[in-house]
Amino acid sequence: QQQVKQSPQSLIVQKGGISIINCAYENTAFDYFPWYQQFPGKGPALLIAIRPDVSEKKEGRFTISFNKSAKQFSLHIMDSQPGDSATYFCAASRTSNTGKLIFGQGTTLQVKP
Amino acid sequence: DTEVTQTPKHLVMGMTNKKSLKCEQHMGHRAMYWYKQKAKKPPELMFVYSYEKLSINESVPSRFSPECPNSSLLNLHLHALQPEDSALYLCASSQEGGAGDEAFFGQGTRLTVV
Repeated sequence: QQQVKQSPQSLIVQKGGISIINCAYENTAFDYFPWYQQFPGKGPALLIAIRPDVSEKKEGRFTISFNKSAKQFSLHIMDSQPGDSATYFCAASRTSNTGKLIFGQGTTLQVKP
Repeated sequence: DTEVTQTPKHLVMGMTNKKSLKCEQHMGHRAMYWYKQKAKKPPELMFVYSYEKLSINESVPSRFSPECPNSSLLNLHLHALQPEDSALYLCASSQEGGAGDEAFFGQGTRLTVV
């Protein structure tokens, strides 16, 4: 129930294409869903986050789509660039749990020039 | 300043050594975290401090001992580690520790136990 399942494990996209990463969760108590981006040798950095009262959130080229009934959320990267090549983690947490983040397994994205 | 600073960046230690990892933030955050990350895996929560008190210990072996001397500093004391403890150790902080608080991560300490 505490798991967040992320797919695909790896993704190769051409420059200018759309990258899509999906996550699914079981625990309906989760109420915060962030996406983190991690470059090699660096710590994760928050990319974008959503709460379940919103079905979509867009920030620049990055969009989160959220489907509460299906317990799924996804990250779309529009016009993908080589600089977007990184590992992406979805995560979930619930208000009553002191900010504990449950991470998905990660997706390694490679954007080819 | 939105930085979480971790020192050292790299650490090699023997199984009988005692060492400490340090983490510092000056964002006024009241929640601080230690995560462990193995290669190609997500970060795993180890400890959470909220208002300088330990609020979550994820059943971490006692050879890892956290300490929060004040609201800006977080230490992780290491003793008698095993080779399987080699990993990237990440410190993070957030405003209050509630869901929806953005967690800021440091760059991590790459630990190798020999």
